[in-house]
Amino acid sequence: GAGVSQSPSNKVTEKGKDVELRCDPISGHTALYWYRQRLGQGLEFLIYFQGNSAPDKSGLPSDRFSAERTGESVSTLTIQRTQQEDSAVYLCASSLALAGGVGELFFGEGSRLTVL
Amino acid sequence: KNQVEQSPQSLIILEGKNCTLQCNYTVSPFSNLRWYKQDTGRGPVSLTIMTFSENTKSNGRYTATLDADTKQSSLHITASQLSDSASYICVVSAYTDKLIFGTGTRLQVFP
Repeated sequence: GAGVSQSPSNKVTEKGKDVELRCDPISGHTALYWYRQRLGQGLEFLIYFQGNSAPDKSGLPSDRFSAERTGESVSTLTIQRTQQEDSAVYLCASSLALAGGVGELFFGEGSRLTVL
Repeated sequence: KNQVEQSPQSLIILEGKNCTLQCNYTVSPFSNLRWYKQDTGRGPVSLTIMTFSENTKSNGRYTATLDADTKQSSLHITASQLSDSASYICVVSAYTDKLIFGTGTRLQVFP
């Protein structure tokens, strides 16, 4: 597609349920990032993929959070046993990887997660 | 510690006026600095990317400056429009895969 696509755009779930958020990056973009943005706050880094590998998972807040990427394309962020503090917008971004730094980031519109 | 600080936290201006947003950073080794615009409920959109050797870059009514010696950047918006109401995020890339995000400046433009 022309841009980064995320689904679902909105998800309401009950505390304790598992959720999966999907990101389709721009075709050919080898780098993929997940961020979390709580209401009125800045972006928090969660995890970064280069191809299908995740060299930096340092932002995952707990072992309830996991992510995978397959085929150097689609990525799924899974949150197990959701808690109310997980309520946020989850943003995905992709870029061409550049030597010596990060290429221009293209963001999706985000998945808004509400945990009741 | 790598940090990006933005000021002011929020700003209200009247349509047609100019404004300047500030970004100070302590990121090393520095690769580039970006400004993003984030409309409410949307993903951020890139406005400018500047490398060490660039000290000014324009994108329409948006002009970003970079002083790599003092580690400061500014985003100047000329002749503001209602559609400029958004959060503006300064992001600094270290010469690795790391991006350090500022918390943003929330701009509101009123008629």
